[in-house]
Amino acid sequence: DAKTTQPPSMDCAEGRAANLPCNHSTISGNEYVYWYRQIHSQGPQYIIHGLKNNETNEMASLIITEDRKSSTLILPHATLRDTAVYYCIVRGSQGNLIFGKGTKLSVKP
Amino acid sequence: DAMVIQNPRYQVTQFGKPVTLSCSQTLNHNVMYWYQQKSSQAPKLLFHYYDKDFNNEADTPDNFQSRRPNTSFCFLDIRSPGLGDAAMYLCATSTGLAGGSYNEQFFGPGTRLTVL
Repeated sequence: DAKTTQPPSMDCAEGRAANLPCNHSTISGNEYVYWYRQIHSQGPQYIIHGLKNNETNEMASLIITEDRKSSTLILPHATLRDTAVYYCIVRGSQGNLIFGKGTKLSVKP
Repeated sequence: DAMVIQNPRYQVTQFGKPVTLSCSQTLNHNVMYWYQQKSSQAPKLLFHYYDKDFNNEADTPDNFQSRRPNTSFCFLDIRSPGLGDAAMYLCATSTGLAGGSYNEQFFGPGTRLTVL
């Protein structure tokens, strides 16, 4: 079973920051949090991952709470092309990605 | 560009007629995965290969088999497709498995299977 919970859907205005929350209260000390997204009819795409520290790359920022029980993915300036299902994933013991239901983000003009 | 390629993108088969989906990669990754994604659901791992070692998920039906003849290619065989097997089938690759390290999975575009 997935180790994460996410809101089923969110809306964001184009050009504004999209903040996608994720709860992973049972995460263990050496497990990473990964974020992927899936645009309609395409394969999932890696966004970012982190362990303890906040991370930033060209796509997004990842803020992880100090107790590591939750995190937030931030898309700083959302565009219409960011409309997708966003999956927050804690990798299983075999290293497998166990996808939860994800958050369907709709970016509106 | 290095990538994960899936052919065909759309496949139609008849109930009970064996079908094979293919995946190839130019990334030279050790691990190849097959996921099943039914409509409006999250991807679900069926099995993976680490090099030539095959690892089946416990709840993957026997109807689903896989072959990996070399590093670049991996096939998904559905021996007797049922109506419930209609789904998007996603292939992915990664350099390794370890959950605690950076092992990004690269996904192909998927093959949408229709069973008539």
